Amino acid sequence: AQSVAQPEDQVNVAEGNPLTVKCTYSVSGNPYLFWYVQYPNRGLQFLLKYITGDNLVKGSYGFEAEFNKSQTSFHLKKPSALVSDSALYFCAVRDTDQNTGNQFYFGTGTSLTVIP
Amino acid sequence: GAVVSQHPSWVICKSGTSVKIECRSLDFQATTMFWYRQFPKQSLMLMATSNEGSKATYEQGVEKDKFLINHASLTLSTLTVTSAHPEDSSFYICSAAGLAALREQYFGPGTRLTVT
Repeated sequence: AQSVAQPEDQVNVAEGNPLTVKCTYSVSGNPYLFWYVQYPNRGLQFLLKYITGDNLVKGSYGFEAEFNKSQTSFHLKKPSALVSDSALYFCAVRDTDQNTGNQFYFGTGTSLTVIP
Repeated sequence: GAVVSQHPSWVICKSGTSVKIECRSLDFQATTMFWYRQFPKQSLMLMATSNEGSKATYEQGVEKDKFLINHASLTLSTLTVTSAHPEDSSFYICSAAGLAALREQYFGPGTRLTVT
């Protein structure tokens, strides 16, 4: 079965400092990994995904994530945090079994607060 | 990018009534649509997967007679919460996947349901 874990419920970081939001995964087969951001009372916005290729994936709004197969991790990073980055972040893995409709499995979410 | 809309964005209804939520893919054909439920400060829980023209597949623990899903066309899926109760109050999010091999999912903005 596919699953992702986000070990931190809350991450606080000062504006201008680098930020990291952690995610580890457990999959059978090749992992298709995603990061989404959610603002209050809004749906999910796609940030980036890893399917294959370079382990460092660059996404929207200056975010990037590093796929680490040996550590089964896919941490989200940004070199310099903005106050507007404050939101709820979800890591997800997509099932690659065609029979199950390619459904997503989401982590529990990490609330990021960037302090001015 | 692909756009998915939901209507209404928020709704308040009385206990015992039924509420219909629409999910539309605006610029692509969605062969599969997913319905999620999200409680405050919690992750998304997949409720059901629907393929156009066929019955929805419900996740374990989700009452199919209470949460009626219809995917009548390649651009529209509806979720009807029947005989709503206060415990059904939640944030409902749909996503849609197209025909592409990797079947990227695109999320709607969500619908806030409050049952009084």
